[in-house]
Amino acid sequence: DAGVTQSPTHLIKTRGQQVTLRCSPKSGHDTVSWYQQALGQGPQFIFQYYEEEERQRGNFPDRFSGHQFPNYSSELNVNALLLGDSALYLCASSLGQSSYNSPLLFGFGTRLTVT
Amino acid sequence: LAKTTQPISMDSYEGQEVNITCSHNNIATNDYITWYQQFPSQGPRFIIQGYKTKVTNEVASLFIPADRKSSTLSLPRVSLSDTAVYYCLVGDADQAGTALIFGKGTTLSVSS
Repeated sequence: DAGVTQSPTHLIKTRGQQVTLRCSPKSGHDTVSWYQQALGQGPQFIFQYYEEEERQRGNFPDRFSGHQFPNYSSELNVNALLLGDSALYLCASSLGQSSYNSPLLFGFGTRLTVT
Repeated sequence: LAKTTQPISMDSYEGQEVNITCSHNNIATNDYITWYQQFPSQGPRFIIQGYKTKVTNEVASLFIPADRKSSTLSLPRVSLSDTAVYYCLVGDADQAGTALIFGKGTTLSVSS
């Protein structure tokens, strides 16, 4: 049990469609970060949510958006899907925004395939 | 944040000690070093972190020299289950909201 729950585990979408991925952080954690990991690459930071606001964003287009709910769970939305969006999407939770005091705890990810 | 450089791959045999060195020449005063391990189709898992000298936990040791321009993750007596990708990252200990940036990592292959 990773403590961080992501759903769905696998997803297949068609180019141009929209997708929503969900993440429940570990109990007690209040910060959620999202990463995209293409095959053979390291995870790429998408954004971080804390207190229901996007606090930091990586180099991703506006097609990628997110939300954090009062219970700290989070959603990642991707619009107008491209073939290049096919990847493993990872959610990580922590307590507070500094990973020095609270190392990131990752879920098992959602495997998104765009055809 | 300082960029890190680590070997792309390493090979080892069961029972051996494995040392993975990471270079971070531009590390800042407030930066700390952290290592994550990742198995296929899973998220990375925190292994160890440190600021200076030596840190040891139940799974690994982290050696950081005085100039902090490099660090070495030491895995004692590896087993087949230690085959994974290992990421060395540098984070800002004082600044909240600084995202950890992953590189390509070191792929460790352990053979019997």
